[in-house]
Amino acid sequence: GAGVSQTPSNKVTEKGKYVELRCDPISGHTALYWYRQSLGQGPEFLIYFQGTGAADDSGLPNDRFFAVRPEGSVSTLKIQRTERGDSAVYLCASSLNPRGSLADTQYFGPGTRLTVL
Amino acid sequence: GQQVMQIPQYQHVQEGEDFTTYCNSSTTLSNIQWYKQRPGGHPVFLIQLVKSGEVKKQKRLTFQFGEAKKNSSLHITATQTTDVGTYFCGTNAGKSTFGDGTTLTVKP
Repeated sequence: GAGVSQTPSNKVTEKGKYVELRCDPISGHTALYWYRQSLGQGPEFLIYFQGTGAADDSGLPNDRFFAVRPEGSVSTLKIQRTERGDSAVYLCASSLNPRGSLADTQYFGPGTRLTVL
Repeated sequence: GQQVMQIPQYQHVQEGEDFTTYCNSSTTLSNIQWYKQRPGGHPVFLIQLVKSGEVKKQKRLTFQFGEAKKNSSLHITATQTTDVGTYFCGTNAGKSTFGDGTTLTVKP
């Protein structure tokens, strides 16, 4: 079946602009995660949704970052007033089961490479 | 807060040599997961360990979870060029935390 998809694959924007990154999880997966990954580092947790609600948004670096999942499926990560330091690959992952359950394998999407000039 | 650290950061081996990466946590973990990320790709789940002292094998890959559930290792026997990539350990228990990975390169 189809895996996690993310759009766009690449996004180049100017400092100060607003961007939206989209994630389509695997059908039926109730858990959805956003991470960002910089070169040479592991995925850095941003936010976790269980269903429609953000169960853990403690990884969002500041209030310029916001994410929604209004129908419990597709999620959008929104970044306001982008800064050069926001440049990274933004990864989305979904899981069939809630975080912390015995089978909470995360299936990652291909990521969106964000470049802020 | 919860941290997961991996060593070494890089490992270069000759094809056929063995490879091991180590993962250490500052806190006791209820589980540990391992992922592989090929160059230019995204992390792909390999395995999850949940029991103290657990050992699991996948062909040439052997995964261990420490008795105290604060460390884990991944050992690859007789590496092949297809093993190239970055291996991450992480946990999804409590907080979603990944190490910075060990990047393996294999010389044919």
